[in-house]
Amino acid sequence: GAGVSQSPSNKVTEKGKDVELRCDPISGHTALYWYRQSLGQGLEFLIYFQGNSAPDKSGLPSDRFSAERTGGSVSTLTIQRTQQEDSAVYLCASSSTRNEQFFGPGTRLTVL
Amino acid sequence: GENVEQHPSTLSVQEGDSAVIKCTYSDSASNYFPWYKQELGKRPQLIIDIRSNVGEKKDQRIAVTLNKTAKHFSLHITETQPEDSAVYFCAARDDKIIFGKGTRLHILP
Repeated sequence: GAGVSQSPSNKVTEKGKDVELRCDPISGHTALYWYRQSLGQGLEFLIYFQGNSAPDKSGLPSDRFSAERTGGSVSTLTIQRTQQEDSAVYLCASSSTRNEQFFGPGTRLTVL
Repeated sequence: GENVEQHPSTLSVQEGDSAVIKCTYSDSASNYFPWYKQELGKRPQLIIDIRSNVGEKKDQRIAVTLNKTAKHFSLHITETQPEDSAVYFCAARDDKIIFGKGTRLHILP
């Protein structure tokens, strides 16, 4: 079946603008994660959704970052008033109760 | 919350030799430990995982060991090949999955 998809694949924006990144998880996966990966760096945890539970937002770096997951499926990560340090690849991953995470291809965000 | 430490950050081994990457975790409730491989420009992909009721698991040239008492686990790659060059991430999960900072593995010809 289809894997995790993300859109757009690339996003170039100007400093101060808002951006929305989308993630379509694997159908039936109850867990959804957002990570940020700067060039040559590790996977920085941002936010975690599990079923109908309140999301774990402990990794969001500032109040400019927010995410929602509608209907337990698609998720949107929103970054308001983007800064140059927000430039990175944003990865989404989903998993079922068997735990293996499947990653999407990522969105490369460039803030000019 | 969970904290995962990974060492070394960079590792170079001669082709054909073995590579070992080590991780420690802090939350004794963690019960699932996956390893991911990320090739340049690609997404991370699961290569092997182990659960807390098992001490060792092997899949061809790759093996993972887990010591729950010491809260550490290791990835072993034997007979390394050029295609093993990549960044490897360990992770631990109790509730959510937390990753180590990664190890960049270089296989030298």
